[in-house]
Amino acid sequence: KAGVTQTPRYLIKTRGQQVTLSCSPISGHRSVSWYQQTPGQGLQFLFEYFSETQRNKGNFPGRFSGRQFSNSRSEMNVSTLELGDSALYLCASSLGAAGEKLFFGSGTQLSVL
Amino acid sequence: DQQVKQNSPSLSVQEGRISILNCDYTNSMFDYFLWYKKYPAEGPTFLISISSIKDKNEDGRFTVFLNKSAKHLSLHIVPSQPGDSAVYFCAASGNNDYKLSFGAGTTVTVRA
Repeated sequence: KAGVTQTPRYLIKTRGQQVTLSCSPISGHRSVSWYQQTPGQGLQFLFEYFSETQRNKGNFPGRFSGRQFSNSRSEMNVSTLELGDSALYLCASSLGAAGEKLFFGSGTQLSVL
Repeated sequence: DQQVKQNSPSLSVQEGRISILNCDYTNSMFDYFLWYKKYPAEGPTFLISISSIKDKNEDGRFTVFLNKSAKHLSLHIVPSQPGDSAVYFCAASGNNDYKLSFGAGTTVTVRA
């Protein structure tokens, strides 16, 4: 079974630009979550989608948005990039039950210059 | 507000000995607790979990202990191996919040 696939692997943008990151979950998984990891920080929850519906959202500004498609693939978008948005963005998938383990992709490393 | 705390940023242990990683939480609504391991340039991988109705769960070399009254859990790795050198994250989830709250991580180095 293929794992969680995130594209692109690396991304360099400049302040003010916008970016879209993509995530393909494990086949059969209907829940996709997004997390941000910055140096010295744990993983910060961005949002979670299940069957195209956002079930939970973290404490991030409205510049961060996401969506999920009918095939469970998900995208997240960050508009008006700031230097502080430089981070590793991780996508995770699961069947969707509360408390179950998540399967993570390798992440997209975003650098904002 | 950091609801899950790992107060030791690093741990060094000799190969073959026990590694003990600690984690504290503040939210009494957490029902599930998980440990993840992360190598550089890779996503976290699941290690072991425990629900709030148990106080111990064991899987091979890994054992997680939960003390609900103290809001504390720990991960024991016995015996430690060089391949265990990684960052370990503690995470917790409530029954209906569909997200994991992570600690900041503990970097484990296993010395030969």
